Amino acid sequence: SQQGEEDPQALSIQEGENATMNCSYKTSINNLQWYRQNSGRGLVHLILIRSNEREKHSGRLRVTLDTSKKSSSLLITASRAADTASYFCATAGAGSYQLTFGKGTKLSVIP
Amino acid sequence: NAGVTQTPKFQVLKTGQSMTLQCAQDMNHNSMYWYRQDPGMGLRLIYYSASEGTTDKGEVPNGYNVSRLNKREFSLRLESAAPSQTSVYFCASSDGTYWEQYFGPGTRLTVT
Repeated sequence: SQQGEEDPQALSIQEGENATMNCSYKTSINNLQWYRQNSGRGLVHLILIRSNEREKHSGRLRVTLDTSKKSSSLLITASRAADTASYFCATAGAGSYQLTFGKGTKLSVIP
Repeated sequence: NAGVTQTPKFQVLKTGQSMTLQCAQDMNHNSMYWYRQDPGMGLRLIYYSASEGTTDKGEVPNGYNVSRLNKREFSLRLESAAPSQTSVYFCASSDGTYWEQYFGPGTRLTVT
């Protein structure tokens, strides 16, 4: 069963705008990760945030984690056409060897 | 440094045929994984190998078998392919079970 659920399912923005996507999950986690998938390609790891962290930055990416609400958000600032891709959150459950992926948010950045 | 490689890239099978998908990583990672990706479904874990010599079932293991041949290689076998196994298959590896995973380019499989 899917652990993470991304919202929205699809998002279309103009180049230069910020893009925010959200992820909700159901059980306790060790960490939460975000991945990007360009059309027809494998997934690429973007950022990992541990359960005891609240916010993390990497370049134009900002991830927040609220374990009390079991939710995370990914913010991409000053988006570019090259950011067009699907974005997935994945949770590593406490005591589990498995990484469970959500269904993804499809982001389109219009030049 | 090729990362994670998968062969073949594309395959068409008839119902009932068998085949093996190959995966290799050159990052000296302990853990390896097989996923399938279907439209609108995200990725679902088929099998994983936490370390060399061990394999375990994931969310959707029925109809598949795996072999962790050595630390580098992890293969996925379909003994009797069914149309429901039409999907894109991804192999991944990681340094540990909680850490980020590195994905191969995928195998697009069609079963007719």
